[in-house]
Amino acid sequence: GEDVEQSLFLSVREGDSSVINCTYTDSSSTYLYWYKQEPGAGLQLLTYIFSNMDMKQDQRLTVLLNKKDKHLSLRIADTQTGDSAIYFCAESRNTDKLIFGTGTRLQVFP
Amino acid sequence: NAGVTQTPKFRVLKTGQSMTLLCAQDMNHEYMYWYRQDPGMGLRLIHYSVGEGTTAKGEVPDGYNVSRLKKQNFLLGLESAAPSQTSVYFCASSQTGLPSTDTQYFGPGTRLTVL
Repeated sequence: GEDVEQSLFLSVREGDSSVINCTYTDSSSTYLYWYKQEPGAGLQLLTYIFSNMDMKQDQRLTVLLNKKDKHLSLRIADTQTGDSAIYFCAESRNTDKLIFGTGTRLQVFP
Repeated sequence: NAGVTQTPKFRVLKTGQSMTLLCAQDMNHEYMYWYRQDPGMGLRLIHYSVGEGTTAKGEVPDGYNVSRLKKQNFLLGLESAAPSQTSVYFCASSQTGLPSTDTQYFGPGTRLTVL
């Protein structure tokens, strides 16, 4: 199947860490991506991880990949109100297409 | 450098009407994509193009047609709009195809309502 699943909502306090989870079904996925969508805007690529990596860190963002469980997570350290958005994970295989997850709405409250 | 632009931003159609959504990019990208986004769902690929003069079907192509006559433009047409096509439509472009580390650049979206 082609399902990429995410929980729909996450609410965190400003300054805390946020962890957004994603599960995918296709073990042949080569790259996995995290996109951010702010209200009324298109998607913006945040980070990506190649399938032979376990972890990638980029400033406040940490991506963890568990290939055995087909589980991907995005951790945002020191979450700020500007991080409030919808976050999509996406996978690509040996095609020209991205398969997107359903999106997780992150709400950051003071 | 405007990136990816979409025209129009909003549109309301009656069932059976036709319209064309225009996507333009000024980054000289080879690949262009049309997605639709529906509540509670991820983006789904409608059609895409791997270069000027080419088009290919995505995940949900029925009811839509596309054309890529110029490298910088990718048009999405609805010949006879249906309420099921009420959605937010996003265009994207990239220099290389997938999989890769090359990002897809997205436009701001077009909100279409079909009554």
